[in-house]
Amino acid sequence: AQSVTQPDIHITVSEGASLELRCNYSYGATPYLFWYVQSPGQGLQLLLKYFSGDTLVQGIKGFEAEFKRSQSSFNLRKPSVHWSDAAEYFCAVGARETSGSRLTFGEGTQLTVNP
Amino acid sequence: NAGVTQTPKFRVLKTGQSMTLLCAQDMNHEYMYWYRQDPGMGLRLIHYSVGEGTTAKGEVPDGYNVSRLKKQNFLLGLESAAPSQTSVYFCASRSGQNTGELFFGEGSRLTVL
Repeated sequence: AQSVTQPDIHITVSEGASLELRCNYSYGATPYLFWYVQSPGQGLQLLLKYFSGDTLVQGIKGFEAEFKRSQSSFNLRKPSVHWSDAAEYFCAVGARETSGSRLTFGEGTQLTVNP
Repeated sequence: NAGVTQTPKFRVLKTGQSMTLLCAQDMNHEYMYWYRQDPGMGLRLIHYSVGEGTTAKGEVPDGYNVSRLKKQNFLLGLESAAPSQTSVYFCASRSGQNTGELFFGEGSRLTVL
């Protein structure tokens, strides 16, 4: 069974600083990988996804993530954070043999942005 | 452009009471899901459905039942609510053609006293 770990529960950055949120997964093969963002009182919105091919994927709102098979990681990055990026971020993994029909989510990382 | 709609958005129950959460999607999606979100635990899958008339258990199905009588609706029932079921519940759906991308409702906050 797949699993996901987000080592950082809470991260604080200053506006304009760079950001990296960590995600490590456990799965026997190459999984489907996702990052979702949740603003307060809202549902989750997809930021980006990796299925195959180029290991650096671009998403919405200037986010990108890199799949590193050797490290079983899929870290999310943004070069310059905006105050509106303050939210909770979830990494998720899906199994290829079920076409990603069941996603397993990490515990989430809460991002605070200081002015 | 409704997407995924959950009702009710808030509910307070007493222990032992029953209730049903309704999820409706207007995107003609095949797959539908119910998750619960608790602090520090991310989202955990309760039940899901891969098509009308089918349901399956997720990670934490105990104490919940579901039904998918119509393709657009997915109901989550609590027959005898317990304080441990205090949570925020999210419904999600996805197309059978579109690998993995889930569309979420805004959540239903349930408190069991």
